[in-house]
Amino acid sequence: QLQLQESGPGLVKPSETLSLTCTVSGGSISSSSYYWGWIRQPPGKGLEWIGSIYYSGSTYYNPSLKSRVTISVDTSKNQFSLKLSSVTAADTAVYYCARLDWSGADAFDIWGQGTMVTVSS
Amino acid sequence: DIVMTQTPLSSPVTLGQPASISCRSSQSLVHSDGNTYLSWLQQRPGQPPRLLIYKISNRFSGVPDRFSGSGAGTDFTLKISRVEAEDVGVYYCMQATQLYTFGQGTKLEIK
Repeated sequence: QLQLQESGPGLVKPSETLSLTCTVSGGSISSSSYYWGWIRQPPGKGLEWIGSIYYSGSTYYNPSLKSRVTISVDTSKNQFSLKLSSVTAADTAVYYCARLDWSGADAFDIWGQGTMVTVSS
Repeated sequence: DIVMTQTPLSSPVTLGQPASISCRSSQSLVHSDGNTYLSWLQQRPGQPPRLLIYKISNRFSGVPDRFSGSGAGTDFTLKISRVEAEDVGVYYCMQATQLYTFGQGTKLEIK
């Protein structure tokens, strides 16, 4: 059974870079049928797609965050990662990683449990 | 950007009664490949989102058949035929025709 698990610091200072990793277990990140994505949810608010990556390294990002976001993949570790630079309090959120079934449903069909990141000095 | 608008934002429902949530997109979600990439997700309290429906009306694996999706173009609906206690949570529509955007969410609660 495929599982995703986010990891990384729970507290980041303003203007610094938020870094998170998603570890995929129970399946290969190198499957041709899937992209892998990051989605976030500010406290008490809705969902916002951040960006997605294919195992080859091909990426696409939310235009509103594109200038600050980098998503990368490490197939040898079955992981993909998120970096968000120049963070502010507005970036405080639960960050989820998820699998995107792009070859059929084009929907996020498996999600990690999420990790809370607070931006504060 | 495609904007997704859900109504209502809150829906009190009696157990065993039906519930319906609407989702409207700011432009047609029909993709150039002919598919319409509209999905519905459920988020129970304290849990990550869970995929319920994809491509308007296809139930994801393990989703009870009391959940159904319908619609076309810019107007879509999620229906629960008989609400159960475990259905409490927030429901989101999401479009994947042009990148990915979510509706603001509809909170389903029991009267």
